[in-house]
Amino acid sequence: AQKITQTQPGMFVQEKEAVTLDCTYDTSDQSYGLFWYKQPSSGEMIFLIYQGSYDEQNATEGRYSLNFQKARKSANLVISASQLGDSAMYFCAMRGVAPGRRALTFGSGTRLQVQP
Amino acid sequence: EAGVTQFPSHSVIEKGQTVTLRCDPISGHDNLYWYRRVMGKEIKFLLHFVKESKQDESGMPNNRFLAERTGGTYSTLKVQPAELEDSGVYFCASSQVEGRSNEQFFGPGTRLTVL
Repeated sequence: AQKITQTQPGMFVQEKEAVTLDCTYDTSDQSYGLFWYKQPSSGEMIFLIYQGSYDEQNATEGRYSLNFQKARKSANLVISASQLGDSAMYFCAMRGVAPGRRALTFGSGTRLQVQP
Repeated sequence: EAGVTQFPSHSVIEKGQTVTLRCDPISGHDNLYWYRRVMGKEIKFLLHFVKESKQDESGMPNNRFLAERTGGTYSTLKVQPAELEDSGVYFCASSQVEGRSNEQFFGPGTRLTVL
């Protein structure tokens, strides 16, 4: 079974500052993928970043980076230079790679509010 | 390229009625997933199609839920009869067969309210 834990129900950050959203996971899979999605108030789920369990380098996508610490089973999302448009719910998720294990398991989410 | 679309965007029905949700995946995506988020809880997986075949339906809550994907294109999720606890947002997602991340592209969701 897979489990994702996001311990921060809500976070505040000042515009232009960096923020880290925490995510820890548990799985019995040897190979897996970790994802972060953003859900603005409009409701759609927007893919942000992906990290494979065997990737040696931390993933980066523009202002988003994933701080992957495999031994600690953590996959924190770092948003640099926060913008007002970053205010949204953020979900950490994971999946296996084997057939039949590709469904995403989500955490409970973190609501980020960027303040001017 | 059109994204994943879902219909309707909102549905309000009474307990005991039937509702059918539709998902049109991105063209060419063989994988189609259904998820739902009930009030205050996490997004939960329901089932996964590969083309027209059910790859994994371990998340379907009970036999009141029936999903189909005839012809391997769009999918429908029928709830019959609907219960109060079925209220929530139902998401559909699709992905390609190949791809490093097998990123799942989500639709906007259908908000279901059962009164």
